[in-house]
Amino acid sequence: DTEVTQTPKHLVMGMTNKKSLKCEQHMGHRAMYWYKQKAKKPPELMFVYSYEKLSINESVPSRFSPECPNSSLLNLHLHALQPEDSALYLCASSQPPQGPAIYFGEGSWLTVV
Amino acid sequence: AQSVTQLGSHVSVSEGALVLLRCNYSSSVPPYLFWYVQYPNQGLQLLLKYTTGATLVKGINGFEAEFKKSETSFHLTKPSAHMSDAAEYFCAVSDPLNAGNMLTFGGGTRLMVKP
Repeated sequence: DTEVTQTPKHLVMGMTNKKSLKCEQHMGHRAMYWYKQKAKKPPELMFVYSYEKLSINESVPSRFSPECPNSSLLNLHLHALQPEDSALYLCASSQPPQGPAIYFGEGSWLTVV
Repeated sequence: AQSVTQLGSHVSVSEGALVLLRCNYSSSVPPYLFWYVQYPNQGLQLLLKYTTGATLVKGINGFEAEFKKSETSFHLTKPSAHMSDAAEYFCAVSDPLNAGNMLTFGGGTRLMVKP
């Protein structure tokens, strides 16, 4: 059982909508991540938060806006998305620097119509 | 820069047969190594990891992997495949010197298990 919880599991949104994906981890980790995964591909890193500060933004379009309200929560705000943004969005966490393993949630399936 | 190559995007085995999924990496420093499994319509689950110490690492569900520095490999094995092992498997590496712990993934191998 994963200790990284993502909601919603499925989301369908129009190109003019504003929605958010939410992630919570219960392991006391201080690094949290958003990954995007297209079908039959490995996950691609989008953002990294370390100690609640954005440390890495992998040139993600501004229509994706991350937020880390506290050490256990991570949000991904979505606005004006394109159909090609449809994918599985995975949240993950780890405990730097001594914990190299990254633990993933079940993901949120996003469909943009 | 790091890279990961998984030989064989699809591997098919019979139930009860040996499972061998290959992973080779390229890294300027000895990396941390991971295998993840992704069942259909699910997230990634950590199978096992190598950081330091014993080079033969045992993971969940009867899987194990051996770190061979001379071959820059971290192949995943399981003595006897079960139908429930059918999934996508990802090998990944990270740089121990990078506090961000970012993962570099291989392209994935889809394991199919025939009855």
